[in-house]
Amino acid sequence: QVQLQESGPGLVKPSGTLSLTCAVSGGSIRSTDWWSWVRQPPGMGLEWIGDASHSGITKYNPSLKSRLTISLDNSKNQFSLEVNSVTAADTAFYYCARKRAVGTAYYFDYWGQGTLVTVSS
Amino acid sequence: QSVLTQPPSVSGAPGQRVTISCTGSGSNIGADYDVHWYQQIPGTAPKLLIYGKTNRPSGVPDRFSASNSGTSASLAIAGLQAEDEADYYCQSYDNILSGSVFGGGTKLTVL
Repeated sequence: QVQLQESGPGLVKPSGTLSLTCAVSGGSIRSTDWWSWVRQPPGMGLEWIGDASHSGITKYNPSLKSRLTISLDNSKNQFSLEVNSVTAADTAFYYCARKRAVGTAYYFDYWGQGTLVTVSS
Repeated sequence: QSVLTQPPSVSGAPGQRVTISCTGSGSNIGADYDVHWYQQIPGTAPKLLIYGKTNRPSGVPDRFSASNSGTSASLAIAGLQAEDEADYYCQSYDNILSGSVFGGGTKLTVL
């Protein structure tokens, strides 16, 4: 059973950098799966942020791409998210997830519990 | 504005059958990318409900089923139970965005 756990500051100042880490257990980030971030503003829907693969390929939501970095740390079996130049619009629950890619199916089968990040001074 | 369109809410009485629609376009569902469905109980993380068109993860009852046609997909829930009350999201891949896309979510109320 794969388990994911997010960690990081719950409060970030406007124009600052949001940094989160997702620790993976029960599975290896060196696998052929993708490792992803999804966010959800309070009371709103889900938004895909981006993915990273074990081979170093990253894919980002075009609406966020200029501010994003997703990276993998094989030694710690974890992956990270950085969002630069944050505003109040980045306030959301942030979820890390494993994404499987099988043929034309790309889906998130394991999710972390989520962590609320608030952007405020 | 979500790439995939879902009704904001649906409702049904216990024991009834409800369906939730998910409408996309030629760059996602219409391009034959699979549609997947998630259930989210308020205050918790989304949970994979159906993947790869019709597959259910272990533990998901067969009361949940899915189908798609053209640029649309739908989730059906038969024999509604109080525990089914949750938000439901569809998700697919979009080849113009080169990434995953979600529907706006549908709140299911069991009357």
